[in-house]
Amino acid sequence: AVQLVESGGGLVQPKESLKISCAASGFTFSNAAMYWVRQAPGKGLEWVARIRTKPNNYATYYADSVKGRFTISRDDSKSMVYLQMDNLKTEDTAMYYCTAIFAYWGQGTLVTVSS
Amino acid sequence: DVVLTQTPPTLSATIGQSVSISCRSSQSLLHSNGNTYLNWLLQRPGQPPQLLIYLVSRLESGVPNRFSGSGSGTDFTLKISGVEAEDLGVYYCVQSTHAPYTFGAGTKLELK
Repeated sequence: AVQLVESGGGLVQPKESLKISCAASGFTFSNAAMYWVRQAPGKGLEWVARIRTKPNNYATYYADSVKGRFTISRDDSKSMVYLQMDNLKTEDTAMYYCTAIFAYWGQGTLVTVSS
Repeated sequence: DVVLTQTPPTLSATIGQSVSISCRSSQSLLHSNGNTYLNWLLQRPGQPPQLLIYLVSRLESGVPNRFSGSGSGTDFTLKISGVEAEDLGVYYCVQSTHAPYTFGAGTKLELK
């Protein structure tokens, strides 16, 4: 069965950094573009970042709200995708989901940015 | 950025009733490769989203066939033919034709 399991969320202060991870299994990870999507408490869904596959040079794309602060990466040998989040702001507080082209979703990891 | 406008924001239905949700895009979602990357998701309370419909009208594996999608260009519709209790939650349309990808604001389906 397909599984996506996020980890690494927690409470951080503004301007700090955090790296969250997503472990994938049950599908051919190296063939799948991967995204991070977030959901602030009580709000809707927001696409955050995307990373393509090796044949597409692992190209990355970001929402304007995180561009220059967040970095998405992947390790196909470990079936892992990561989101490095730097210079965090209070408005980055959200549940962060990893998803394979919106078809498969993890349960999410909660990131809280507060002083 | 592409803006997806979902209506209605809230939908009250009885079990067995058929309902429709509209998703209108600020620009055409037809990709240069001929595909239209418009998906429908359902998020049940306390759960991550799940994919119902992809490429406008293709039913995701395991999703009941009471769900159907239609539309083209800028106007899209999700129809539920006979609401069941398990269908309650928030429905989102999402486009992945144009970067950045964008979601509609959601339609909450409640029991009347």
